Amino acid sequence: NAGVTQTPKFQVLKTGQSMTLQCAQDMNHEYMSWYRQDPGMGLRLIHYSVGAGITDQGEVPNGYNVSRSTTEDFPLRLLSAAPSQTSVYFCASSYVGGKYNEQFFGPGTRLTVL
Amino acid sequence: RKEVEQDPGPFNVPEGATVAFNCTYSNSASQSFFWYRQDCRKEPKLLMSVYSSGNEDGRFTAQLNRASQYISLLIRDSKLSDSATYLCVVTQGSYALNFGKGTSLLVTP
Repeated sequence: NAGVTQTPKFQVLKTGQSMTLQCAQDMNHEYMSWYRQDPGMGLRLIHYSVGAGITDQGEVPNGYNVSRSTTEDFPLRLLSAAPSQTSVYFCASSYVGGKYNEQFFGPGTRLTVL
Repeated sequence: RKEVEQDPGPFNVPEGATVAFNCTYSNSASQSFFWYRQDCRKEPKLLMSVYSSGNEDGRFTAQLNRASQYISLLIRDSKLSDSATYLCVVTQGSYALNFGKGTSLLVTP
């Protein structure tokens, strides 16, 4: 099992450019999510999905879109990049249901917007 | 007020020392509690779940106090490899984690 994979590992964008951060998992997890991590802010939830075709907003969704067409993939789209979106982005997945569900994180994408 | 609060540290301790971290949460409806560990420039990984009765995993002991709404993590006999950031995590359901900002630990020789 590869677990949770993210591409690219690093990306530099100019203000106004768009791009898609890729996330895939091979554990058949229903739940997938995107977080951003900024110094002094901790991890904040951007969007999440509890299954194919179902997505919802987290704490900081503005400027980002997601879709979930398959169980395995959960891409995050930046529509028009802004310097405030410079961050480290983590994708995570887990089973749904039960009381204690370990979330597995991908290695992260380090994004710089100039 | 952030939902999960932690002392950011850093905690600098010598090898072999015992160190404790606390975390408070504001939502009394919180159901599940965890400690995650994050190494520098790496992804967070689950260290341990926190059960109501308290639980131990080797050198690590986690406690939950629902009345006071705080969670603790005790590390005994600290190792150099314990140096990391420890994230307190709380949920109201089975997913959608609320993270604290983390407590930084540096164990020195």
